[in-house]
Amino acid sequence: AQSVTQPDIHITVSEGASLELRCNYSYGATPYLFWYVQSPGQGLQLLLKYFSGDTLVQGIKGFEAEFKRSQSSFNLRKPSVHWSDAAEYFCAVGAGGGATNKLIFGTGTLLAVQP
Amino acid sequence: DADVTQTPRNRITKTGKRIMLECSQTKGHDRMYWYRQDPGLGLRLIYYSFDVKDINKGEISDGYSVSRQAQAKFSLSLESAIPNQTALYFCATSDPGQAPLYSTDTQYFGPGTRLTVL
Repeated sequence: AQSVTQPDIHITVSEGASLELRCNYSYGATPYLFWYVQSPGQGLQLLLKYFSGDTLVQGIKGFEAEFKRSQSSFNLRKPSVHWSDAAEYFCAVGAGGGATNKLIFGTGTLLAVQP
Repeated sequence: DADVTQTPRNRITKTGKRIMLECSQTKGHDRMYWYRQDPGLGLRLIYYSFDVKDINKGEISDGYSVSRQAQAKFSLSLESAIPNQTALYFCATSDPGQAPLYSTDTQYFGPGTRLTVL
């Protein structure tokens, strides 16, 4: 069965430090991968997505993610974190394109940013 | 104005009451979805609809029903609310025309409705 694992429930980084949020997926076919961010009291906003091609994907707000098929990973990175990046981050894999268009979500990583 | 709106944003109700959560979108997307979010569980799909005449159950549809009144409107009902339906509910939309064939459409989410069942 398809699944997404985000090993880190909670991460704290200092403002200006680099960030990497981990995401591992289990899916037998070609994965379609997404990262969403949920700011407090807000809905989910798409940060970036990977469908095919270049394995390093650029997103909004200075985020990027790298697809590594051999490791079944799609980790999210940012070189310098801003206080406004404090939020919850969800990785998702698209499972069932066409018939169901189903998204399987990870359990999320809550990011806190220290001044 | 937001592309995907949900009403109400917050609701407190009692066990046994009928509740309707509404979702409207101005994105012109045919596909709409309802999810619930629980702490530590991520988002789980309740129902989805690929057009006005198409309604499908997701992984956790028991205790819920939906109505697709128009392309732009998709409502979620709890016929008899129970406390374990306390959660954050999200509506989402997508357009298959924006994604490669046989891939997964990008879904766009509303702001959510926080429902508390006492």
